[in-house]
Amino acid sequence: SAVISQKPSRDICQRGTSLTIQCQVDSQVTMMFWYRQQPGQSLTLIATANQGSEATYESGFVIDKFPISRPNLTFSTLTVSNMSPEDSSIYLCSGLGNEQFFGPGTRLTVL
Amino acid sequence: GEDVEQSLFLSVREGDSSVINCTYTDSSSTYLYWYKQEPGAGLQLLTYIFSNMDMKQDQRLTVLLNKKDKHLSLRIADTQTGDSAIYFCAALSGGYNKLIFGAGTRLAVHP
Repeated sequence: SAVISQKPSRDICQRGTSLTIQCQVDSQVTMMFWYRQQPGQSLTLIATANQGSEATYESGFVIDKFPISRPNLTFSTLTVSNMSPEDSSIYLCSGLGNEQFFGPGTRLTVL
Repeated sequence: GEDVEQSLFLSVREGDSSVINCTYTDSSSTYLYWYKQEPGAGLQLLTYIFSNMDMKQDQRLTVLLNKKDKHLSLRIADTQTGDSAIYFCAALSGGYNKLIFGAGTRLAVHP
């Protein structure tokens, strides 16, 4: 099974700033995804990270707010831009190989 | 699009069996997953079932799939206090390789 790590594990940020979250998978996966879990809620898919091309965003999420990179098969970044308190959530990276695994999440608090 | 629904709360006595139910709408969903999330932790993949299977057993866990009714259940035998967590049902949306999550069922195990 794949192991997914994320950095940072948590952060507290000021309104208007941006944070980049890194995701590393220990083996090649066919697809990588970014999810958001707002407090007390289920997971919502933000986008599919495509290697070497623009990510595919779900309805309600846009590239300007959540730019995503995936330079190779095992690494991806998600940036939360121009943050507001409403962006306070857990952001989870996920990889799909034979099964779909999740990273431990990045707990973001925006003041 | 795919919609996944779960009951929100289940309380059981230690040693009893727990049954968590889930329904989904996309009949072309290929894989159905159960994840466990403990407080403050990420998502742990518990088990999954392919859509051409009716049942899968893995130690204390039994997954039943009724494809006709689009109903999935997770049975935990001999439930322990360490099983207290939120359990998420997720369906791999057919043709899109996206996991759609239910709202999660909070399982409380009491002595």
